[in-house]
Amino acid sequence: QGQLVQSGAEVKRPGASVKVSCKASGYTFIDYGISWVRQAPGQGLEWIGWINPYNRNTDYAQKVQGRVTLTTDTSTTTAYMELRSLRSDDTAVYYCARLRGIYGDNVVWGQGTLVAVSS
Amino acid sequence: EIEMTQSPATLSVSPGERATLSCRASHTVSSNLAWYQQKPGQAPRLLIYGAYNRATGTPARFSGSGSGTEFTLTITGLQSEDFAVYYCQQYNNWPRTFGQGTRLEIK
Repeated sequence: QGQLVQSGAEVKRPGASVKVSCKASGYTFIDYGISWVRQAPGQGLEWIGWINPYNRNTDYAQKVQGRVTLTTDTSTTTAYMELRSLRSDDTAVYYCARLRGIYGDNVVWGQGTLVAVSS
Repeated sequence: EIEMTQSPATLSVSPGERATLSCRASHTVSSNLAWYQQKPGQAPRLLIYGAYNRATGTPARFSGSGSGTEFTLTITGLQSEDFAVYYCQQYNNWPRTFGQGTRLEIK
């Protein structure tokens, strides 16, 4: 089923940007979509967006639209999530997940990356 | 946006008993519904996809049912490792949405 390994924790100031990486292995990277999900401390799961690594089509949640960009690098089988103009309520653990096919459920999850936004 | 509502928020059940968790969608999601289990400090883990298909490694005591707007996750013969938070998610429409979760605790 493969594996996803994410980059390490980040601490950022309000207004800054962060870029989280998600290194995929053990499967054909372009055959499966990747979604990004976040979880604020003590809260539930929030879907952020999705990318098709084959054609780089994306879809984003309204809440982060305009501040988030999902990209992929097929040469390194790595997905990236960049979030700009960070606010305190962006503090969360960010997960990437490999989908079933291009559009399905989240089959394999990364270990999560804590992004803390604090002045 | 399709809203997913889970009930109850917290469920207290004794080991060995049955737990029934519900998930309701604000509009039909066909059978494009998944259930995830999350334990403290861990990433979510896929349990059920397509409303009733067990994911690889999901024990047979977990079963999913429903279609359209009403879904149920049933866990029979609860074991200690089953006490966790459970989320449903629809993947029929954009944006994908999760329920707020049901915490399953030991009674």
